[in-house]
Amino acid sequence: ETGVTQTPRHLVMGMTNKKSLKCEQHLGHNAMYWYKQSAKKPLELMFVYSLEERVENNSVPSRFSPECPNSSHLFLHLHTLQPEDSALYLCASSQDQQGGMNTEAFFGQGTRLTVV
Amino acid sequence: AQKITQTQPGMFVQEKEAVTLDCTYDTSDPSYGLFWYKQPSSGEMIFLIYQGSYDQQNATEGRYSLNFQKARKSANLVISASQLGDSAMYFCAMRELNYGGSQGNLIFGKGTKLSVKP
Repeated sequence: ETGVTQTPRHLVMGMTNKKSLKCEQHLGHNAMYWYKQSAKKPLELMFVYSLEERVENNSVPSRFSPECPNSSHLFLHLHTLQPEDSALYLCASSQDQQGGMNTEAFFGQGTRLTVV
Repeated sequence: AQKITQTQPGMFVQEKEAVTLDCTYDTSDPSYGLFWYKQPSSGEMIFLIYQGSYDQQNATEGRYSLNFQKARKSANLVISASQLGDSAMYFCAMRELNYGGSQGNLIFGKGTKLSVKP
């Protein structure tokens, strides 16, 4: 099992569709993240969950709705998306600790989303 | 203002030669961590190397080393003996401490596309 697994790898959806992205981590980490990667832009942090509670939401539109049912699973529910939402969506996990600076994040391979 | 700046959108290097990828950062915190990630065309972000703000020595991991110049706020990645498999996007990232001492989130630069020529 790879550390962080994302499904599906590719998704094409219409603007009126509802779909969900899934992320699963097998590393025993206590924090999970959704990032958006668009062409020629830095990775944008969308959501952070620590100990299954959302701790950060970086002004993401409500058409993106995260869900973290347990420490190993993270979902991103999508509805009424726009073409500009087409991007690579990356999930990551890390073992966050108070005062710790050196904990790297482990990433999945991403879901390539195309909105038509 | 950008926290992480990578000024080289693309770089070419001949196989077996060394290459330096630039990264400068902006923070007023004394405690922070700097990371480099590699992203092949498959999409996954692969952690390469870490440098803490209090580390006295430059970090090294195999063919990767980090040229850390704290006063200049730069953390350049050096890849020695480049291989064809090194062709990928490379991202510099920083993590600061939040108020209260909790761990801040990773903030990434725009990345540098490295192409290794045979």
